[in-house]
Amino acid sequence: ILNVEQSPQSLHVQEGDSTNFTCSFPSSNFYALHWYRWETAKSPEALFVMTLNGDEKKKGRISATLNTKEGYSYLYIKGSQPEDSATYLCAFNGGATNKLIFGTGTLLAVQP
Amino acid sequence: KAGVTQTPRYLIKTRGQQVTLSCSPISGHRSVSWYQQTPGQGLQFLFEYFSETQRNKGNFPGRFSGRQFSNSRSEMNVSTLELGDSALYLCASSLDSAATGELFFGEGSRLTVL
Repeated sequence: ILNVEQSPQSLHVQEGDSTNFTCSFPSSNFYALHWYRWETAKSPEALFVMTLNGDEKKKGRISATLNTKEGYSYLYIKGSQPEDSATYLCAFNGGATNKLIFGTGTLLAVQP
Repeated sequence: KAGVTQTPRYLIKTRGQQVTLSCSPISGHRSVSWYQQTPGQGLQFLFEYFSETQRNKGNFPGRFSGRQFSNSRSEMNVSTLELGDSALYLCASSLDSAATGELFFGEGSRLTVL
């Protein structure tokens, strides 16, 4: 059974703080790692799809890094804003089954 | 362009009944995948359809089934509903593979089984 672990489960920060969370996945048979943002009462929205070891992706104040050899990805948010409050999900594709396995997410709350 | 549309948004059923949920993908997207979200669980993959064929399947009992039509619209069906089937069901479309391509999600169908 493939496990995707996200930490922390939840995080409360003040507006302006920078923050980061972790997604851990099996380091063998890596194919792709996805990050999604899920705001309350909305649909999950894709942030990044990462496929290469050492990959770094950036979208505005949000960036992500990927280490496939050790099986982790970090998501960074610089200068958090209240509108960043959401659950951040990662999903792993190990290739063999070609299915996405989602973590349970990190719930971020940004206080104004 | 129009996003992924799921209907109905909310529904209440009783144990033993069956339910059909519908998903219309983004125009041009050939892959539709379905996920179940229950409290405390991550999104659990149900199945993926591509060009009217089931391309992949998660670890759910046979009571969960789906299909895809020639216009890429997809339906999922749950027969003999159980209390534990109460969940948010999300569908997502992508251009090609659900596992490697960016997913575009609908707003979900929230099913309550009484």
